Amino acid sequence: GESVGLHLPTLSVQEGDNSIINCAYSNSASDYFIWYKQESGKGPQFIIDIRSNMDKRQGQRVTVLLNKTVKHLSLQIAATQPGDSAVYFCAEIPGSGNTGKLIFGQGTTLQVKP
Amino acid sequence: KAGVTQTPRYLIKTRGQQVTLSCSPISGHRSVSWYQQTPGQGLQFLFEYFSETQRNKGNFPGRFSGRQFSNSRSEMNVSTLELGDSALYLCASSLADPSRETQYFGPGTRLLVL
Repeated sequence: GESVGLHLPTLSVQEGDNSIINCAYSNSASDYFIWYKQESGKGPQFIIDIRSNMDKRQGQRVTVLLNKTVKHLSLQIAATQPGDSAVYFCAEIPGSGNTGKLIFGQGTTLQVKP
Repeated sequence: KAGVTQTPRYLIKTRGQQVTLSCSPISGHRSVSWYQQTPGQGLQFLFEYFSETQRNKGNFPGRFSGRQFSNSRSEMNVSTLELGDSALYLCASSLADPSRETQYFGPGTRLLVL
């Protein structure tokens, strides 16, 4: 079935360290993946996206890696800061004919220790 | 450019009542999607509208409905409210094709059903 999962519900890191949040997806037909950050009381905020014709994409302090062979997605945050504390969701578009239907994972809570 | 706005932000209703939530997309965005977020089920897709037409629908009962106006603003309605409808309802907008473009989320409407 369609599902996007994250490996760990909670990740705790020290301020300044790098964070890696993982996500496994099940639909091999998915061709668009997005990472969102959700802070308490707010809606999900777009971080970075990647299409299936790429295996890596970099933004400001963030990198997304896509491994289509094992259907795995990861988000790397460099020099993690207290403001990065939030719940992170990976989401996929499960292929053509599903206009607008993002399939979200359960989320990983990132806790940044000062 | 203003972001996605949702009204009201908070709502308390009792079982059996109905509720209407409103969403104003980012200026120029014509696609509006709705999601329900609960601790148990996570983020789940409700439906997506474009040019006043519903293009895609998730697996929710018929009590959940929506519509879109000519100015791209959208409303969703839940009739005969149940306790399990308590959730954060999120609206997201994109230019035209959310399967290929970033969806930007509003802050959500938190609905509590008593």
